[in-house]
Amino acid sequence: GIQVEQSPPDLILQEGANSTLRCNFSDSVNNLQWFHQNPWGQLINLFYIPSGTKQNGRLSATTVATERYSLLYISSSQTTDSGVYFCAVEVVWGTDKLIFGTGTRLQVFP
Amino acid sequence: DTGVSQNPRHKITKRGQNVTFRCDPISEHNRLYWYRQTLGQGPEFLTYFQNEAQLEKSRLLSDRFSAERPKGSFSTLEIQRTEQGDSAMYLCASSPGRDEQYFGPGTRLTVT
Repeated sequence: GIQVEQSPPDLILQEGANSTLRCNFSDSVNNLQWFHQNPWGQLINLFYIPSGTKQNGRLSATTVATERYSLLYISSSQTTDSGVYFCAVEVVWGTDKLIFGTGTRLQVFP
Repeated sequence: DTGVSQNPRHKITKRGQNVTFRCDPISEHNRLYWYRQTLGQGPEFLTYFQNEAQLEKSRLLSDRFSAERPKGSFSTLEIQRTEQGDSAMYLCASSPGRDEQYFGPGTRLTVT
């Protein structure tokens, strides 16, 4: 089956720093989503981005589907950005289910 | 605008007991998904419905698990004869089609 790998696995930043999270996937995908999981376990939708580039405030994302990767950029990080970031994909040949990556745990300190 | 809701939010049960969770999707979303997440891992797909039809079940969904969506609206997930390995966060998501999925807050199950 498809492999979805995220890097780095852990990231520690000081408030105000910028960061880039990467998601590599091993097969063609119809759908790619980025989520932030907060300390209470809620998955918060960040981007629905099968291809191209999107921006939302301090966050932006780029997916290069032909090269099978996506990047999530966080600028001017805040302590509230702490948590686990997941990318999840839906494969072209499969059904609607999302296959989640390994996650990146981000800790932002004041 | 109400999102996906799940009840209960937490459930503690003794091994061997049956438990049932409920998920209410976003109104008019015809697709509903169940996922399970264990500590330190990403969510894993369990099953999904399009309207009231259950279209796919993961191999993770043993015979002790059953899910229903009787009228194409809310869904229930039942686990019979719970085992300690069933302890996890059970997440529900909905979508309007083959599109962006929106997740509920989850039900955290602890089997003692």
